[in-house]
Amino acid sequence: AQKITQTQPGMFVQEKEAVTLDCTYDTSDPSYGLFWYKQPSSGEMIFLIYQGSYDQQNATEGRYSLNFQKARKSANLVISASQLGDSAMYFCAMREDYSGGGADGLTFGKGTHLIIQP
Amino acid sequence: EAGVAQSPRYKIIEKRQSVAFWCNPISGHATLYWYQQILGQGPKLLIQFQNNGVVDDSQLPKDRFSAERLKGVDSTLKIQPAKLEDSAVYLCASSGRGGRNTGELFFGEGSRLTVL
Repeated sequence: AQKITQTQPGMFVQEKEAVTLDCTYDTSDPSYGLFWYKQPSSGEMIFLIYQGSYDQQNATEGRYSLNFQKARKSANLVISASQLGDSAMYFCAMREDYSGGGADGLTFGKGTHLIIQP
Repeated sequence: EAGVAQSPRYKIIEKRQSVAFWCNPISGHATLYWYQQILGQGPKLLIQFQNNGVVDDSQLPKDRFSAERLKGVDSTLKIQPAKLEDSAVYLCASSGRGGRNTGELFFGEGSRLTVL
């Protein structure tokens, strides 16, 4: 089974609208972290936001917030007031804290291509 | 603070040739990762180093891929011999488990490999 599922291959959104990018995950570890990264056409991976499995509140970073629903194993990214510069690939990723041996590399989903239209 | 440095940015080779990619992590970062990103997909972890030791290489195709981090700082990823399906961007990332304690990975710009 896939550990990270992003069901939206592409999305078109009008500038200034809010957008929600979906992410569901699968793990049996009680402790894990969830990440969102942005990858513009230039290729670099830019960290956006992090949510720990034991965090009581949803994470927020400026215009980004993470809608964390632990029981549903869902970690959707919400971008408020979208801008043209938000056009990029967005990846959801997970770190499982009990992989063993110190292994803590992130497992990424397939990504969502977000296009903001003027 | 300087970011993760990678070279070369682009490389085109014929199948069965060899290629090497270099990565210098953020100063002080003990953990270094190599990821492979095939066009249209998310990055896939190839290998993780903690200082100069391998922590996880379970997804590294060891018949053709090798990686080393001899002095616990910079790292080299080698492919020999290359296959067409190795065409991808090879991303290096480092982590220092800094004050944020999130285990955030800092990525380099990547090395784009085309195998003809």
